[in-house]
Amino acid sequence: GESVGLHLPTLSVQEGDNSIINCAYSNSASDYFIWYKQESGKGPQFIIDIRSNMDKRQGQRVTVLLNKTVKHLSLQIAATQPGDSAVYFCAETNQAGTALIFGKGTTLSVSS
Amino acid sequence: GAGVSQSPSNKVTEKGKDVELRCDPISGHTALYWYRQSLGQGLEFLIYFQGNSAPDKSGLPSDRFSAERTGGSVSTLTIQRTQQEDSAVYLCASSFLAGANTEAFFGQGTRLTVV
Repeated sequence: GESVGLHLPTLSVQEGDNSIINCAYSNSASDYFIWYKQESGKGPQFIIDIRSNMDKRQGQRVTVLLNKTVKHLSLQIAATQPGDSAVYFCAETNQAGTALIFGKGTTLSVSS
Repeated sequence: GAGVSQSPSNKVTEKGKDVELRCDPISGHTALYWYRQSLGQGLEFLIYFQGNSAPDKSGLPSDRFSAERTGGSVSTLTIQRTQQEDSAVYLCASSFLAGANTEAFFGQGTRLTVV
């Protein structure tokens, strides 16, 4: 079945460090991937997305890397701040292209 | 506000009762999604509406779950004869464009507790 998985359920970093959150996806036909951030008690918020015709995309302090050969997606956060503490989900489109399929999430904890 | 609005924010119901959860999408967004998030889990797709097209109901876990979207705007998710395993946060999202290949904006969710 369709699934998106993550390598680590939790990641702890020091403020100012760079963070890398990894994700493996299963649908080789997916052409769109997205990272969401979810803070406690809130709905997921868009961070960055990438289409399959790209292998890298940069935003403000965030970079998404896509390796279609091994079906791997990563989110890099530069100079991590306490406000970055949240659960991060990667997602890919389902076979029908109608919905996003989410992984279970990585909890990022940033200590000062 | 300009975001996706869901109500109620919290709902406690007795097992066997029916519940209705409401979602007001962002104005002008043609696509609307319902997801369910169990404690410590990822988001499970339930249903997708796009304009006047037939909804994609492939994620609904049982026939106790149904949803409708009236006038291409407000959506209601109904769970009949609730069970304890239905306890979860139900999230609604909307997007301007059709399909999942575009950013979806999420509401804050309805936390449903079945006792």
